[in-house]
Amino acid sequence: KAGVTQTPRYLIKTRGQQVTLSCSPISGHRSVSWYQQTPGQGLQFLFEYFSETQRNKGNFPGRFSGRQFSNSRSEMNVSTLELGDSALYLCASSAGAPRANTEAFFGQGTRLTVV
Amino acid sequence: AQKITQTQPGMFVQEKEAVTLDCTYDTSDQSYGLFWYKQPSSGEMIFLIYQGSYDEQNATEGRYSLNFQKARKSANLVISASQLGDSAMYFCAMSHLSGGYNKLIFGAGTRLAVHP
Repeated sequence: KAGVTQTPRYLIKTRGQQVTLSCSPISGHRSVSWYQQTPGQGLQFLFEYFSETQRNKGNFPGRFSGRQFSNSRSEMNVSTLELGDSALYLCASSAGAPRANTEAFFGQGTRLTVV
Repeated sequence: AQKITQTQPGMFVQEKEAVTLDCTYDTSDQSYGLFWYKQPSSGEMIFLIYQGSYDEQNATEGRYSLNFQKARKSANLVISASQLGDSAMYFCAMSHLSGGYNKLIFGAGTRLAVHP
């Protein structure tokens, strides 16, 4: 069974540009969550999509957006990049039915560097 | 507010010895889950163990066990017989009812170094 696949693995962008990251969840999983990991702020929840609908959102500016397709693949977009957006972006997939023991399976992440 | 606290930025342990990584949590929800993840230098978060708020017994998964003390709101990870491959960052995380469960809150992490 294939795991969570994130592409690309590494990305370098210039301030002001926009970027799109992709996440393919485990087959059969309908929930995809995105997290930002930085040395200063740690791991922070960005948003969660379930069946093409955003179900939960963290405290990030509107420059961060996402979407989910009918095959459960998800993309996140960051517009007008700032230096502080440099981070490891992790995608997690889960079966979707929310309950306390819902285990999230993570991809290897996309490391974004903004210069 | 929901919060996870890991007070040990770094720990080291001799190979084959046991080590305890501390985690305390704060939540007003009665229903929540506690997770431990391992993050090697490759970046991927690897699930280790889960404990539910209503579980009366401590969770165990191979060499990993979770020391759950609900009254003290602590969920410490115990790794027995440490191996060199255990060297990594370890994160404690919580899912909770008011967050819809699929939103995990993470602690700052503990970097574990296993020495031969």
